[in-house]
Amino acid sequence: KQEVTQIPAALSVPEGENLVLNCSFTDSAIYNLQWFRQDPGKGLTSLLLIQSSQREQTSGRLNASLDKSSGRSTLYIAASQPGDSATYLCAVTSGSARQLTFGSGTQLTVLP
Amino acid sequence: DAGITQSPRHKVTETGTPVTLRCHQTENHRYMYWYRQDPGHGLRLIHYSYGVKDTDKGEVSDGYSVSRSKTEDFLLTLESATSSQTSVYFCAISESIGGVAGELFFGEGSRLTVL
Repeated sequence: KQEVTQIPAALSVPEGENLVLNCSFTDSAIYNLQWFRQDPGKGLTSLLLIQSSQREQTSGRLNASLDKSSGRSTLYIAASQPGDSATYLCAVTSGSARQLTFGSGTQLTVLP
Repeated sequence: DAGITQSPRHKVTETGTPVTLRCHQTENHRYMYWYRQDPGHGLRLIHYSYGVKDTDKGEVSDGYSVSRSKTEDFLLTLESATSSQTSVYFCAISESIGGVAGELFFGEGSRLTVL
């Protein structure tokens, strides 16, 4: 059974700092990995989708990398801003290929 | 934003009553999902659908049923609501790319309270 872990559960950084969020998964036979952002009381917003054949994806100040062999992905946020404060979740598609397994998320706070 | 509408957005009901949550999409995506999100448990898959009239169970399907008679609508029913089903319910959709779920898009959620 696929398990997805995100450490730390919470992170607080000053504005302007570059930061890395971590995601690890136990079964490396994945089809893709996705990073999401969730603001309080809201649904999840897709940030980046990395296919299993890719090593990284970039969108603006966000860069996600994937190392399938080690079962790890990182989300790099450059020049963090208070508006980046949210919970970030990663999820992998594996097994039946129709379902995603989610991590429990990292709650990020960017201090002004 | 992906066209996903959940209704109702908020509902308070009593134990033992039936409840139906609706998810409507305008994206014509093949896959649709119902998740629940609870503190300490994260997002857990209840049921999903990979096409009209094709559904399957997720990890927490007990006490829930689903139906999908049209591509755009996916209904989640609690036949007899219990307090343990108090939660925030999210609908999600994705395309099928060669049989693999693609990018997942979420609705805004439906907050259900069972008294």
